[in-house]
Amino acid sequence: GIQVEQSPPDLILQEGANSTLRCNFSDSVNNLQWFHQNPWGQLINLFYIPSGTKQNGRLSATTVATERYSLLYISSSQTTDSGVYFCAVPPFNAGKSTFGDGTTLTVKP
Amino acid sequence: EPEVTQTPSHQVTQMGQEVILRCVPISNHLYFYWYRQILGQKVEFLVSFYNNEISEKSEIFDDQFSVERPDGSNFTLKIRSTKLEDSAMYFCATRPGRNTEAFFGQGTRLTVV
Repeated sequence: GIQVEQSPPDLILQEGANSTLRCNFSDSVNNLQWFHQNPWGQLINLFYIPSGTKQNGRLSATTVATERYSLLYISSSQTTDSGVYFCAVPPFNAGKSTFGDGTTLTVKP
Repeated sequence: EPEVTQTPSHQVTQMGQEVILRCVPISNHLYFYWYRQILGQKVEFLVSFYNNEISEKSEIFDDQFSVERPDGSNFTLKIRSTKLEDSAMYFCATRPGRNTEAFFGQGTRLTVV
């Protein structure tokens, strides 16, 4: 199956700083999503981004499918951005999807 | 905005008991999934369900687990005889089509004591 690697595993920022999270995947995908898991354990859907760039407020994401990576940018970070960020890719069939191990972000005031 | 709803949000059960976790998918979605996340670990795929049957399942999804969509609305995950290691957050997800965005419910935290 497809392997998904996220980096860095942990990231500590001061409030107001910018950051870039990376997701590498081992094979071609036509579907990729970024999620934020908040302190209550809920998975919040950030982006559905099989290719190209999308922006939503302070967050943006870029997927370069031909080079098998996706980036999540967080600008002007806030303490509420803390949590774990996952990327997930399904294979071509209708079956299972693979989550990365996540990046744990801590934003300090 | 439509959302996937899971109930209960938290369930505590004794080892050996049966539990049923419920999910109400978004209307018109066709693909349904269950995932679990043991505390501090990654999100793991359990099973996918399409056209009223299981389309794929992982090695985790053994004979203790079953899924069904009995009334065309609720999508349930049953664990027949719970073990301590079944303690986890269980997520339901649904998608309208094969290569489309997946929408996750808020999760059910299962604690087996």
